[in-house]
Amino acid sequence: DVKVTQSSRYLVKRTGEKVFLECVQDMDHENMFWYRQDPGLGLRLIYFSYDVKMKEKGDIPEGYSVSREKKERFSLILESASTNQTSMYLCASSRPGRSYGYTFGSGTRLTVV
Amino acid sequence: RKEVEQDPGPFNVPEGATVAFNCTYSNSASQSFFWYRQDCRKEPKLLMSVYSSGNEDGRFTAQLNRASQYISLLIRDSKLSDSATYLCAVNTNKDTGRRALTFGSGTRLQVQP
Repeated sequence: DVKVTQSSRYLVKRTGEKVFLECVQDMDHENMFWYRQDPGLGLRLIYFSYDVKMKEKGDIPEGYSVSREKKERFSLILESASTNQTSMYLCASSRPGRSYGYTFGSGTRLTVV
Repeated sequence: RKEVEQDPGPFNVPEGATVAFNCTYSNSASQSFFWYRQDCRKEPKLLMSVYSSGNEDGRFTAQLNRASQYISLLIRDSKLSDSATYLCAVNTNKDTGRRALTFGSGTRLQVQP
């Protein structure tokens, strides 16, 4: 069974901390994505990557950065966590091309206090 | 105007009923369309792709209306287990060549005994 694994299910961090969210996929997918999901706002794209060391900004990249050193791993970094970054973070991967849907990880619920 | 819009619901229907959801998209150049299902506190899971000619998977039928820029999902003979939030997703493929899905905020379905 194909999998996207996110390192933490729940995370509590303090304001100003640097936070790393890790995502690993075992499907040899080229494309990987980070979304956040908030009530009433749905899923919003933060960053995505279509190849190793490649990245593109999504709709809400401010306050975030990403790293993709290996094909299977895509990390989301909150440079200096703020309370408005409290959210559910979802990682996804897909094959290249428009026809393929995404496989999501189970999400990381991040609370910044 | 949001790029992808859905009626948030909830749609409360009795078991065995037929229910339909629509999802409108604003970019006429959109090329790929999907329906996802999301259970409470879980990640979205791909339900089905939506093809131009319409497609069916068991009790689920998806259709695309390019002229009016919406996709639909029809569920026949609703089961209690169909209770979930249904997200539509569209590949908006802007001029920048973005290859990432834009999601609607979801429509909640509650099937009642």
